[in-house]
Amino acid sequence: QQQVKQSPQSLIVQKGGISIINCAYENTAFDYFPWYQQFPGKGPALLIAIRPDVSEKKEGRFTISFNKSAKQFSLHIMDSQPGDSATYFCAASMGNQGGKLIFGQGTELSVKP
Amino acid sequence: GAVVSQHPSWVICKSGTSVKIECRSLDFQATTMFWYRQFPKQSLMLMATSNEGSKATYEQGVEKDKFLINHASLTLSTLTVTSAHPEDSSFYICSARSLLPYNEQFFGPGTRLTVL
Repeated sequence: QQQVKQSPQSLIVQKGGISIINCAYENTAFDYFPWYQQFPGKGPALLIAIRPDVSEKKEGRFTISFNKSAKQFSLHIMDSQPGDSATYFCAASMGNQGGKLIFGQGTELSVKP
Repeated sequence: GAVVSQHPSWVICKSGTSVKIECRSLDFQATTMFWYRQFPKQSLMLMATSNEGSKATYEQGVEKDKFLINHASLTLSTLTVTSAHPEDSSFYICSARSLLPYNEQFFGPGTRLTVL
């Protein structure tokens, strides 16, 4: 019940296309859903995050869509660029667990020029 | 803002030695820091939660005597890998939790440990 399932495991997108990564969770007590971007040999960097009281959040080319009833959320990267090639992780946490993050399995995105 | 540093960025040691990794929040105070381990092409695995001034809380399966965590101040947590063995070779990443925004964690750049 603590799991966050992420798909796909890998994704190849053409430059200028839309990259879509999906995550699903079981525990309805989760109240914070961040997405992280990680380049090889580096630590994850927070991209964008959402709370369950909103259905969508957009920051630049990155958008989170959140479906509370389906217990799913997704990351959309518009106008994907080769520089977006990285591994993306979704995560979830509960406020009453001190911010402990449960990570998805990760998606390796490759954007072809 | 919200920068977390780790030192060293990489370390090579002989089997049986101990290695200390430092994690610092540079521009904010972090009452809670987290330590993760990551194997190649895998997700981050939480090892322990470190609260300033108290004992760390370890995840199931993580040996507390092997991975010693100290959170002596609001800006510094250390992870010591004691009597390291080749199977301890991994990428260790810390994160620091800021109180605002809500539950946001900022990650360090990671430390690559190689045990020969």
